[in-house]
Amino acid sequence: GEDVEQSLFLSVREGDSSVINCTYTDSSSTYLYWYKQEPGAGLQLLTYIFSNMDMKQDQRLTVLLNKKDKHLSLRIADTQTGDSAIYFCAGPYTGGFKTIFGAGTRLFVKA
Amino acid sequence: SQTIHQWPATLVQPVGSPLSLECTVEGTSNPNLYWYRQAAGRGLQLLFYSVGIGQISSEVPQNLSASRPQDRQFILSSKKLLLSDSGFYLCALRQSSYEQYFGPGTRLTVT
Repeated sequence: GEDVEQSLFLSVREGDSSVINCTYTDSSSTYLYWYKQEPGAGLQLLTYIFSNMDMKQDQRLTVLLNKKDKHLSLRIADTQTGDSAIYFCAGPYTGGFKTIFGAGTRLFVKA
Repeated sequence: SQTIHQWPATLVQPVGSPLSLECTVEGTSNPNLYWYRQAAGRGLQLLFYSVGIGQISSEVPQNLSASRPQDRQFILSSKKLLLSDSGFYLCALRQSSYEQYFGPGTRLTVT
């Protein structure tokens, strides 16, 4: 079935760039998403990318999509301690009702 | 804009006791509604989704059930809780293809 996989942990120093990677199996996904979850809270949409795009930039965030390899990445430039959170990669199921989430990557930012 | 309310925020229940978690939404009509569970250190597991009043789809067979008695109300229930039901329960809505909005979550501890 459809699946989204992510590495579980990433640790970076404040000011460095963070790159969080994701692979997916559903090639029919129209949109792919990155959500952020801060401790004890719900998820908030960070950014999304249409499947016909290769790259999307939004301030410190850059999303790269490699459709051939079914690989999605999120780059956070100049990572700050406030960026410490869990980041979820997600894509809609072909039926359009369900979104398949990865397990989440926990980003630790060291001061 | 859409707002999702969940209550209670935290709950501690003994094994074998019943459960009722409530989710209500504002600022939207006829949304798709979702219940997710996030176990400690794990990703999001879709439990139920609903495309309308009285319409419930179950993703994972378990001792939980869901109901949607009103357009903006989604309830998660159990007759007898298990230890494995502990987790962070998130209600979400989807109005368009672009994103899901998540509630603040309910942390359930079964003792």
